[in-house]
Amino acid sequence: DAKTTQPPSMDCAEGRAANLPCNHSTISGNEYVYWYRQIHSQGPQYIIHGLKNNETNEMASLIITEDRKSSTLILPHATLRDTAVYYCIVRVGSNFGNEKLTFGTGTRLTIIP
Amino acid sequence: EPEVTQTPSHQVTQMGQEVILRCVPISNHLYFYWYRQILGQKVEFLVSFYNNEISEKSEIFDDQFSVERPDGSNFTLKIRSTKLEDSAMYFCASNSLNEKLFFGSGTQLSVL
Repeated sequence: DAKTTQPPSMDCAEGRAANLPCNHSTISGNEYVYWYRQIHSQGPQYIIHGLKNNETNEMASLIITEDRKSSTLILPHATLRDTAVYYCIVRVGSNFGNEKLTFGTGTRLTIIP
Repeated sequence: EPEVTQTPSHQVTQMGQEVILRCVPISNHLYFYWYRQILGQKVEFLVSFYNNEISEKSEIFDDQFSVERPDGSNFTLKIRSTKLEDSAMYFCASNSLNEKLFFGSGTQLSVL
């Protein structure tokens, strides 16, 4: 699986959009970009994933650049409950199956009141 | 939303003792996993389990570790002889094909 690079920490004001970047310059054609988050010491929580098209669900939007070497997770209206560590993970595969995930150190997002 | 349930939430044991961590995956799921997170470190994959056998395991998952699905609802992780370095938060997870992964809230294992 390709390596990812994320900033170690970010702050965002409550109510504003939080934009979390991820660099995955060595991504190959059959690798998907997944985002998970971990609130405090709870189990990781799936947020969203995509291959090359932008994706949106009830939690977030995922913007993948045309060359697929980077992506941005967007939380449109951040709340205090969005304070968490966010992980960008690149892995081979289409839809979900055997989910052997390699977590990095992620971005610690702090939402400021 | 459905939940993966883990018990106990915190377990303390003496070095060299056997421990069994228990998980109840979501009922219609087919894939089961254990991950762990040592305090302050990354979440690490341990093992995946499908169709009553191990699908994949990491280097961490040595002969001291075993997994079992003893009945239709439980999924367990056994550590045969615990070491200090086994102290960590252990997360169980489950999913089905074409379905996202659900993690439990974890069991904090403290080896003294």
